[in-house]
Amino acid sequence: GAVVSQHPSWVICKSGTSVKIECRSLDFQATTMFWYRQFPKQSLMLMATSNEGSKATYEQGVEKDKFLINHASLTLSTLTVTSAHPEDSSFYICSARSGRDYNEQFFGPGTRLTVL
Amino acid sequence: QQQVKQSPQSLIVQKGGISIINCAYENTAFDYFPWYQQFPGKGPALLIAIRPDVSEKKEGRFTISFNKSAKQFSLHIMDSQPGDSATYFCAASNKDSNYQLIWGAGTKLIIKP
Repeated sequence: GAVVSQHPSWVICKSGTSVKIECRSLDFQATTMFWYRQFPKQSLMLMATSNEGSKATYEQGVEKDKFLINHASLTLSTLTVTSAHPEDSSFYICSARSGRDYNEQFFGPGTRLTVL
Repeated sequence: QQQVKQSPQSLIVQKGGISIINCAYENTAFDYFPWYQQFPGKGPALLIAIRPDVSEKKEGRFTISFNKSAKQFSLHIMDSQPGDSATYFCAASNKDSNYQLIWGAGTKLIIKP
């Protein structure tokens, strides 16, 4: 149980275009989802926290107009990178937690974004 | 005070040996300490976690040792195997931070056959 999927697993796009990444909890309802960014050989950096049906809370320094997060249902959250630039190239990972144990987060497999 | 310091940055262990990774924290309000394993190009996966009411937790070859007075916790991998080669992250969280995980910097573990 507790499986989280991400789609796509990798994406290449041109500078200036927008890219949408989906995060789904497959076998549980996720009251909260998290979006992380990870640079090579570095730790995970929390970008934002989203609760179903409400606006996401962004971490300091993360542009909310650039990284649009929508948590429309208890099993789906999306991250849209708008007007992507090469510096947005990174590994994006989502995680989800149910209402049972607030500490436990289940992670998706990640999405590799390359902006040309 | 929210930091979690992890060491070493990298570790090479012979097959069959014991791998030990250490973490230290400052915030005494932390009450959940997980270890995650991450393979290249994949998301992290929860390996084992401990709460401060116990000093040790063992699951198979993986053991967490927790020292509340020293504000330190460590991961021990017994009989290390080449398949254990991965990056390991410690983390900590508590209710005050809305259970957000505060991450260590990671340890790249290589098990030599």
